[in-house]
Amino acid sequence: GENVEQHPSTLSVQEGDSAVIKCTYSDSASNYFPWYKQELGKGPQLIIDIRSNVGEKKDQRIAVTLNKTAKHFSLHITETQPEDSAVYFCAASKTGTASKLTFGTGTRLQVTL
Amino acid sequence: GAGVSQSPRYKVAKRGQDVALRCDPISGHVSLFWYQQALGQGPEFLTYFQNEAQLDKSGLPSDRFFAERPEGSVSTLKIQRTQQEDSAVYLCASSLAGGLGGETQYFGPGTRLLVL
Repeated sequence: GENVEQHPSTLSVQEGDSAVIKCTYSDSASNYFPWYKQELGKGPQLIIDIRSNVGEKKDQRIAVTLNKTAKHFSLHITETQPEDSAVYFCAASKTGTASKLTFGTGTRLQVTL
Repeated sequence: GAGVSQSPRYKVAKRGQDVALRCDPISGHVSLFWYQQALGQGPEFLTYFQNEAQLDKSGLPSDRFFAERPEGSVSTLKIQRTQQEDSAVYLCASSLAGGLGGETQYFGPGTRLLVL
C-alpha cells in the first residue's frame, strides 16, 4: 500500500519567515495530495490540495509543489504568523479506490514572535 | 452550513467495555470515512461508506471493530471489549461525491477515547 513520509517533525520559525514542509510518497498511482492543518483538540482542516496534472498551486501565503518523477510534494508558507502555529499533515490518495487518504506523520510548526 | 459533528467528544471506558461513537456527516454527502489517530501520529484509515454500503473495511484493526451507516447518513463506529491499545482519537470525515478520487474530505472534531 501507499506510504507517505513527512519531514521535519518539528519546525520553529520567526514570525514573517517562510516555512517549508516536505513529503514523499511511494505509490506512483497516487494522484491527489491534500494538506491539512490540525489545531489542538480539533479535526484536520484542508488548507490546500494539488492533483497530479498540476505542478504547483498557490493560495495567498500558501503554496504546494509536486514533483511526480521524484514522488515528492512540498508545502510552502510565506510571511508566517502566530496563528499558523499548528500540526500540518500531508496526505495522498488515488482515483478508483475509496479515496482513502494515507497521511504523513505530521509537522508541528511553531511561529515565534 | 453545519460541518461534520461527532459525539461524544470524550469517552472514558474500562477495559472490556463496549463503546459506540457517532458521526453526523455534512448533509447530502455520499462518502463517509472513519480514521484512527494515535497520539502524535497522522490519521489512519479504518473504513469507508458510500451511502449505506460499506465498500472498504480494510483498515479495521480487528473483528472487535464494527461500523455501520444504515440509512446512508449517520454512522456509528462500535468497539467491543475495548483494550488499552484502542485509546486514540477517532475521526470521521465526509465528502460530497462517490469516492472516486480527489474530493475534499471534511473532518469532524473527533472522539477522544481513553481505555483504562
